[in-house]
Amino acid sequence: DVKVTQSSRYLVKRTGEKVFLECVQDMDHENMFWYRQDPGLGLRLIYFSYDVKMKEKGDIPEGYSVSREKKERFSLILESASTNQTSMYLCASRSGTGGGNTIYFGEGSWLTVV
Amino acid sequence: GENVEQHPSTLSVQEGDSAVIKCTYSDSASNYFPWYKQELGKRPQLIIDIRSNVGEKKDQRIAVTLNKTAKHFSLHITETQPEDSAVYFCAATFSNSGYALNFGKGTSLLVTP
Repeated sequence: DVKVTQSSRYLVKRTGEKVFLECVQDMDHENMFWYRQDPGLGLRLIYFSYDVKMKEKGDIPEGYSVSREKKERFSLILESASTNQTSMYLCASRSGTGGGNTIYFGEGSWLTVV
Repeated sequence: GENVEQHPSTLSVQEGDSAVIKCTYSDSASNYFPWYKQELGKRPQLIIDIRSNVGEKKDQRIAVTLNKTAKHFSLHITETQPEDSAVYFCAATFSNSGYALNFGKGTSLLVTP
């Protein structure tokens, strides 16, 4: 079974703090993604990566950055957390390119910014 | 920009009835259309998917249809059961975002006994 692991499940951070959300996949997938999920808005793409050291902006990249130094790990960084970044963050991975393969999700990281 | 529209946002059916959720997409180059089920507090789970070279796919009580000309696809659940109650998301890959998945906003399905 594909395993996508998000190490932090529940976090509470203060406004202005730098926040790291880590994601690791164990299937040697080339593609990795970060989404945020908010009630009534569905899942929105923040950033994605095709390969090590590669990153592309999604629909809502403002206030976020990412890092992919190793193929299995894709980190989401909130440089200066704000209350409107309180959300559930989902990491996902997929093998290959061209979009036709299954995307697998991690269990999610619930972030509250106070 | 490209998007996926999903309807209805909420759906209530009696146990044993059928449920249908519909989605439209805007990118004619989209090639993959998965459906995810998400229970409260859990990650989305893939329940069925369809690729652009196929018009229909069925897996037990679940079926998906795709009309590429009209750019819409639908999820059909027959003989619904209370455990089908969840939020369902459709998604489509968009070529201008590297074939990442773009999601609809979800349908909250309630199956009452």
